[in-house]
Amino acid sequence: GAGVSQSPSNKVTEKGKDVELRCDPISGHTALYWYRQSLGQGLEFLIYFQGNSAPDKSGLPSDRFSAERTGGSVSTLTIQRTQQEDSAVYLCASSPASLNTEAFFGQGTRLTVV
Amino acid sequence: GDSVTQMEGPVTLSEEAFLTINCTYTATGYPSLFWYVQYPGEGLQLLLKATKADDKGSNKGFEATYRKETTSFHLEKGSVQVSDSAVYFCALSDLKAAGNKLTFGGGTRVLVKP
Repeated sequence: GAGVSQSPSNKVTEKGKDVELRCDPISGHTALYWYRQSLGQGLEFLIYFQGNSAPDKSGLPSDRFSAERTGGSVSTLTIQRTQQEDSAVYLCASSPASLNTEAFFGQGTRLTVV
Repeated sequence: GDSVTQMEGPVTLSEEAFLTINCTYTATGYPSLFWYVQYPGEGLQLLLKATKADDKGSNKGFEATYRKETTSFHLEKGSVQVSDSAVYFCALSDLKAAGNKLTFGGGTRVLVKP
């Protein structure tokens, strides 16, 4: 596709369950970012990938959060043992190079933990 | 660490009014500055950017000037339209950091009434 694609667009899960969120970046974009948008916290950086490696994981809020990227393309953000405070919109962005270039955002996955 | 502060909304205006959204930043390096916009039901989009002091970014009638002396990047538009109703985010990217990680302000919701 032409843009960053995220799935699912909406996810409702029960507290304690694991969830996987998927991001399909723009073809050829080497940099990929995950952000979280929540009420009261605004937009927070979670993790950055360059290719398949993650040089910056500083924004992951706890060890329940992990992410991987395979083939320099698709990325999956996994949240284990979800808590209500994990409810947020999770945004993925990609860019063609690492520095000083525009990041293109997906529409996000709205996660609701009940 | 890096931070961005922008005026809280909501900002309610009449069509053709002048819009200013204040944004100030703190950064240890030499950041690039951005304004992103999120229209209702859509993903984040880059509105404009400036990469060095005194640069002016402009797009769709919006302008912002990178002011290093006041560490500010205020967004302005001379005559707003109903279609400008959106949430606006000021952001910075510190080129010393790994990748193009964005640090966002809290967002300002703008509502333009006909």
